Amino acid sequence: QITLKESGPTLIKPTQTLTLTCDFSGFSLNTNRMGVSWIRQPPGKALEWLALIYWDGDKRYNPSLKSRLTITKDTSKNQVVLTLTDMDPVDTATYYCAHRPRVGAHFDPWGQGILVTVSS
Amino acid sequence: QPVLTQPPSSSASPGEAARLTCTLPSDISVGSHNVYWYQQKPGSPPKYLLYYYSDSDKGQGSGVPSRFSGSKDTSANTGILIISGVRSEDEADYYCMAWPSIGAVFGGGTKLTVL
Repeated sequence: QITLKESGPTLIKPTQTLTLTCDFSGFSLNTNRMGVSWIRQPPGKALEWLALIYWDGDKRYNPSLKSRLTITKDTSKNQVVLTLTDMDPVDTATYYCAHRPRVGAHFDPWGQGILVTVSS
Repeated sequence: QPVLTQPPSSSASPGEAARLTCTLPSDISVGSHNVYWYQQKPGSPPKYLLYYYSDSDKGQGSGVPSRFSGSKDTSANTGILIISGVRSEDEADYYCMAWPSIGAVFGGGTKLTVL
């Protein structure tokens, strides 16, 4: 059974850097074609894809946020970390990490998400 | 602003079929891309439902009932989620997704109300 869980600060000040960790189990990011992605959802709004890291270290970023995003993995710890710099109140959202399987380009399953509020 | 366009709301009575649409922008051809569908209920993360490329290339999420299916209208550059025999538990937000070269893009979501 694949599970993912997000952790990190739930309140952050404007201009600070957000660092979120995704702890996962049930699969290995050493496995060919596996990936972990981050997606966010502002309260009452739509989903927005942020970043994806593949088993081989290849990374993809949302072009509109690329300059602020970094995704890394620690395969030995079964963790993926996302950093988002220069936080702004518009970045207030629930941040999800999700598994991208070997076959297909969908996200399944997702973590429960963590609500991050940006406020001074 | 979501890249894919979904009507914000839709409704159906129990037992009826619901047809939810997802229109891709003109620079992303629905004929060349899988369209993925997710269901999200309040307070929960999205759940993967299925993807549709063609009748011979489609996939169902694990445990997703067969009354959820996909289709396309290539003339309208639109992906379609069909829910046959709507049930009260189908009341949720539904999001479509595609993977053009720029990365994953989502629609704005459709709230399905079961009357």
